[in-house]
Amino acid sequence: NAGVTQTPKFRVLKTGQSMTLLCAQDMNHEYMYWYRQDPGMGLRLIHYSVGEGTTAKGEVPDGYNVSRLKKQNFLLGLESAAPSQTSVYFCASRLDANTEAFFGQGTRLTVV
Amino acid sequence: AQSVTQPDIHITVSEGASLELRCNYSYGATPYLFWYVQSPGQGLQLLLKYFSGDTLVQGIKGFEAEFKRSQSSFNLRKPSVHWSDAAEYFCAVEDGSNYQLIWGAGTKLIIKP
Repeated sequence: NAGVTQTPKFRVLKTGQSMTLLCAQDMNHEYMYWYRQDPGMGLRLIHYSVGEGTTAKGEVPDGYNVSRLKKQNFLLGLESAAPSQTSVYFCASRLDANTEAFFGQGTRLTVV
Repeated sequence: AQSVTQPDIHITVSEGASLELRCNYSYGATPYLFWYVQSPGQGLQLLLKYFSGDTLVQGIKGFEAEFKRSQSSFNLRKPSVHWSDAAEYFCAVEDGSNYQLIWGAGTKLIIKP
């Protein structure tokens, strides 16, 4: 029962480097989300997807790109990392609307 | 637009005392409401949810929440807290038009021994 798996769990990047965070879910969920969590700011939605091949912008999309080529995977890319992107990133998935979200364990990213 | 307010950033209670965490929402229709808990260094876990029916819902770990339409509230309660309940608690409401959950800013629960 893997649920939602995020890789990597920790990463340190230098400013300007790029990286991709992977989110994989094995529950056949349609909806997937990427959030960032910063102290005192709760969860902020970066991008989301309501099905394979679809993506949409959330509240704070700048500096990030996403892809959902396979239903089970939702990738979050940082093309040129900035210190402001230091955060904990959470992936979540839902079967569809009006259902609960399942979360991954998070990725702690530090950009120096 | 829908919104969720958790007015308390931090709450401190003694172990064994009762707990109530507040959540107020802004939503035109009958909302779908959720409470999640986040232990340090962990992801979020669903405590309970309200979709319809009985306005008092039971969740895991001895938590319950009551939906009060007249007050636009969905407060989380527990009769007697344990040290292991120390965590951050998030209230969320379904955004019926946008495939998203709208999140409160969270309430950090601190347990005094």
